[in-house]
Amino acid sequence: SQQGEEDPQALSIQEGENATMNCSYKTSINNLQWYRQNSGRGLVHLILIRSNEREKHSGRLRVTLDTSKKSSSLLITASRAADTASYFCATVPIQGAQKLVFGQGTRLTINP
Amino acid sequence: NAGVTQTPKFRVLKTGQSMTLLCAQDMNHEYMYWYRQDPGMGLRLIHYSVGEGTTAKGEVPDGYNVSRLKKQNFLLGLESAAPSQTSVYFCASSYDRLPSVGRSTGELFFGEGSRLTVL
Repeated sequence: SQQGEEDPQALSIQEGENATMNCSYKTSINNLQWYRQNSGRGLVHLILIRSNEREKHSGRLRVTLDTSKKSSSLLITASRAADTASYFCATVPIQGAQKLVFGQGTRLTINP
Repeated sequence: NAGVTQTPKFRVLKTGQSMTLLCAQDMNHEYMYWYRQDPGMGLRLIHYSVGEGTTAKGEVPDGYNVSRLKKQNFLLGLESAAPSQTSVYFCASSYDRLPSVGRSTGELFFGEGSRLTVL
């Protein structure tokens, strides 16, 4: 079963606007990671946030983590056409094998 | 830098045929993984390896076998392909095991994928 669930499944915005994607998960986690996948390509790691962190920034990316609500959000500011991609959250559960469990992804389209 | 390389990139098989997907990484990573990606299902872990000579089952291991004879290579085999194995397969590697708090990042480096169609 999938640990993370992204919301929305698809998002279409105008270039320059901010894009927010959410991820919910079911069990306690060690850390949560966000990945990007361009069409027909492999996944690329964007950012990792640990369970004892609440917010993290990397360039135009801002990630928040609320462990009490078991949710995370990824904010991309000042979006660009090149940001068009699918975005996945992935979690490392505390219990069980240390493996990364992916959600189903959010398809983001930036319209020029 | 090559990073993670998968071969072949595309393959069409008939039901019952066998094949092997090869993953090679040049980053001296200890950990390697095979995932499959299907529409609406995200990525699901098939098998993984925590070091040369070791393998372990992931979430969906049935119908697949793996080998890690050399640290840099991780092979995924299909002994008797079935239409349900039509998918895009991704190999990934990481320097260390997925981390405890305060340890390494656990970032996964992915290959570009291998699209397999079983008729």
